[in-house]
Amino acid sequence: AQTVTQSQPEMSVQEAETVTLSCTYDTSESDYYLFWYKQPPSRQMILVIRQEAYKQQNATENRFSVNFQKAAKSFSLKISDSQLGDAAMYFCAYRSGRRSSGSRLTFGEGTQLTVNP
Amino acid sequence: NAGVMQNPRHLVRRRGQEARLRCSPMKGHSHVYWYRQLPEEGLKFMVYLQKENIIDESGMPKERFSAEFPKEGPSILRIQQVVRGDSAAYFCASSPNGGSTEAFFGQGTRLTVV
Repeated sequence: AQTVTQSQPEMSVQEAETVTLSCTYDTSESDYYLFWYKQPPSRQMILVIRQEAYKQQNATENRFSVNFQKAAKSFSLKISDSQLGDAAMYFCAYRSGRRSSGSRLTFGEGTQLTVNP
Repeated sequence: NAGVMQNPRHLVRRRGQEARLRCSPMKGHSHVYWYRQLPEEGLKFMVYLQKENIIDESGMPKERFSAEFPKEGPSILRIQQVVRGDSAAYFCASSPNGGSTEAFFGQGTRLTVV
């Protein structure tokens, strides 16, 4: 079974600075996808960024980028130029590439990000 | 994603009552996933359904919980004889098919058992 671990229950960052959230995972599969989701107080799950395991290039979405280290099974999220609206709970998630799993996700425990003005 | 509709948003039940949570997937989506989020925890997979079929129920508690996704109408997560430990946020996600990369989430139903 796959597991996802987020070792930082809480992180804080000053507005306009950069913060990195850590995530490691365990799997025996070679084909899979990794995600970062943001959950603000509204509870809505918002997809931040996605990485396909077969792609060596790290995914980037505006101020959000990942550092995907497949051999180390590490998938960290970097938020640049942090904004007050980035404050939320962030979840790392794993999706198997097996079709029988569909789009089922395995989540980490989350990291609560605080952005200080 | 506002396209996945869950209702009610908040549900209060007394111990021993039944809770019925509804999820209408995005238009054109035939695959639904239910997750439970206990306070201060991440989301945990419960069940994966396709129209009229349960594909994977490995995350469902063995007793009191059931799910369905009929040919017509929303998917229903049913909890019988609720207990305080069932208090949680329940999320539904949908995808167009089993091979799609991404599933889209609803806003969740917060169940409180008093």
